[in-house]
Amino acid sequence: GAGVSQSPRYKVAKRGQDVALRCDPISGHVSLFWYQQALGQGPEFLTYFQNEAQLDKSGLPSDRFFAERPEGSVSTLKIQRTQQEDSAVYLCASSPRQVSNQPQHFGDGTRLSIL
Amino acid sequence: GESVGLHLPTLSVQEGDNSIINCAYSNSASDYFIWYKQESGKGPQFIIDIRSNMDKRQGQRVTVLLNKTVKHLSLQIAATQPGDSAVYFCAEKIQGAQKLVFGQGTRLTINP
Repeated sequence: GAGVSQSPRYKVAKRGQDVALRCDPISGHVSLFWYQQALGQGPEFLTYFQNEAQLDKSGLPSDRFFAERPEGSVSTLKIQRTQQEDSAVYLCASSPRQVSNQPQHFGDGTRLSIL
Repeated sequence: GESVGLHLPTLSVQEGDNSIINCAYSNSASDYFIWYKQESGKGPQFIIDIRSNMDKRQGQRVTVLLNKTVKHLSLQIAATQPGDSAVYFCAEKIQGAQKLVFGQGTRLTINP
């Protein structure tokens, strides 16, 4: 079956540009997460949605980062006025129900490079 | 493909041998733990999970052990195969939260 799909797979942008990264979760999954993974590191939490509600955005590094999931399915992570330190792989994950303690299933990520 | 981790702890084992990957977690309030496998250029792939009310769980060729006393988690892979070569991450979830907190990762290399 279809897994979590992310697009684009690669994005190159100049410093100062805005970027938008898309995540299509597994169909029917209620919970959606965004993580940032720097080279050589484990993923770090950015934000969490339950359906269309953004319940935790404690990991967003600055107000340049914004995420939305308006209809409770597809999500977009937007980064405004990109900086070189934003270069990383951005991973999206989803899980099926509101009940916690179940696996999060990850997409293959978007590799963002800021020049 | 791209390298997932350039300066990770590494473990090399011979094909067919068993491997054990260890992880120390940080929060005694964590109630759920997961092991993920990440290949170069791909996202983390779920391997096995365990809840804090258990100390052992087995899957196909994999076993996870949880020692809450010393906050230690291990992943045992039996009869390793070349396809097991990857970076392995442990992750914990604190009770009441939804996010996962990932460990540093270990690069496993299977020698033929």
